[in-house]
Amino acid sequence: DGGITQSPKYLFRKEGQNVTLSCEQNLNHDAMYWYRQDPGQGLRLIYYSQIVNDFQKGDIAEGYSVSREKKESFPLTVTSAQKNPTAFYLCASSMWARMTGELFFGEGSRLTVL
Amino acid sequence: KNEVEQSPQNLTAQEGEFITINCSYSVGISALHWLQQHPGGGIVSLFMLSSGKKKHGRLIATINIQEKHSSLHITASHPRDSAVYICAVTHSIIQGAQKLVFGQGTRLTINP
Repeated sequence: DGGITQSPKYLFRKEGQNVTLSCEQNLNHDAMYWYRQDPGQGLRLIYYSQIVNDFQKGDIAEGYSVSREKKESFPLTVTSAQKNPTAFYLCASSMWARMTGELFFGEGSRLTVL
Repeated sequence: KNEVEQSPQNLTAQEGEFITINCSYSVGISALHWLQQHPGGGIVSLFMLSSGKKKHGRLIATINIQEKHSSLHITASHPRDSAVYICAVTHSIIQGAQKLVFGQGTRLTINP
């Protein structure tokens, strides 16, 4: 079955460490997204990518980095520069199109900084 | 004021009741999405609509573009419907990628 796989589901990090969250999709979607979710707040866009080797900053990109070397993969690195990294992170994808398309989400990764 | 407002924020009902969750938005949109977030955190897309009404099983979604308002209805609610329901609007499309604005979600609890 097609879908999005995020890993790990839970991750603990010490302050000052970089961590990378994996996101893989087999839906043949061009567009991929990373969102952050904090309690009581709506999802906020961190980065998005329309096509391989291209990506754009979202609303809260500071302290994060991404790469898009393959169509199927869009990993997110939470760097030590991110001041408040403890959050729930969701990856999503959609078809590239001039019109809107349905979004598909992964199961999420919960990051806790100790 | 948030660009996408949902009401109520929390809703508790008995099994079998008819449920309505509302979403109002203040920005121009090309589509509106209703999403369901399970207790484990994963999100499933329920509906994407730009006009009128869509139905899938016991779920019905409607949108009124002129009034900038959408509703999600659940008929014959069941405890397995307990989840957070999120309204999101596609605000713009940039080179094929959608920029969405999300509501804060409605936490629905259906008691047996």
